[in-house]
Amino acid sequence: QLHLQESGPELMQPSETLSLTCSLSGDSTSSSDQFWTWIRQSPGDGLEWIGNIYQSGSTYYNPSLNSRVTISVDTSKRQVSLSLKSVTAADTGRYYCARGRYYFGMDVWGQGTTVIIS
Amino acid sequence: AIQMTQSPSPLSASVGDRVTITCRTSQDIGSDLAWYQQRPGKAPKLLIYAASRLQSGVPSRFSGSGSGTEFTLAIGSLQPEDFATYFCLQDHNFPLTFGGGTKVDIK
Repeated sequence: QLHLQESGPELMQPSETLSLTCSLSGDSTSSSDQFWTWIRQSPGDGLEWIGNIYQSGSTYYNPSLNSRVTISVDTSKRQVSLSLKSVTAADTGRYYCARGRYYFGMDVWGQGTTVIIS
Repeated sequence: AIQMTQSPSPLSASVGDRVTITCRTSQDIGSDLAWYQQRPGKAPKLLIYAASRLQSGVPSRFSGSGSGTEFTLAIGSLQPEDFATYFCLQDHNFPLTFGGGTKVDIK
């Protein structure tokens, strides 16, 4: 069974670069029908899709984050990374990584990690 | 971006009630819609994918229907563990977009 675990700083200052890691364990993570996604949730708010990365290395990001976001995968370390530049208080929230499969949706989620920008 | 409108919010119900939640999209997305349940302090959990497919392990009292621009999540007989917030998500086009959520609370 696949397990995802997010990690990263809990408190940051504005203008810094946020770096989060999603560590993968358990089942195979190299299946061609899988992709990885980052989603965030502001306090008391809804869910916002950040971006996807596919087995091919292709990435798709939310235009609302402009060019601040980068998602990457380190297959050897079994990690998916999120980088978000020039953070502001508006980037405060809980960040989740998830596994997606074509047609089947995002079926495995990490527990999330909270980031506060202040 | 595709706009997602979820209703009602909130939704007050009692154990044993049948409840329905609607998600409307600003353009035709076929069946590219999923439903998620989120309990307080927990990650979202996939309930329904492809508009009407029940995720493995999810109780059969949950069902999804619809296509195009209007979708429905139904809970056949509300159980105590079902009091949570429900979100729809379209994965038809980038950027992926979520509905605003429907909190189901105890009447």
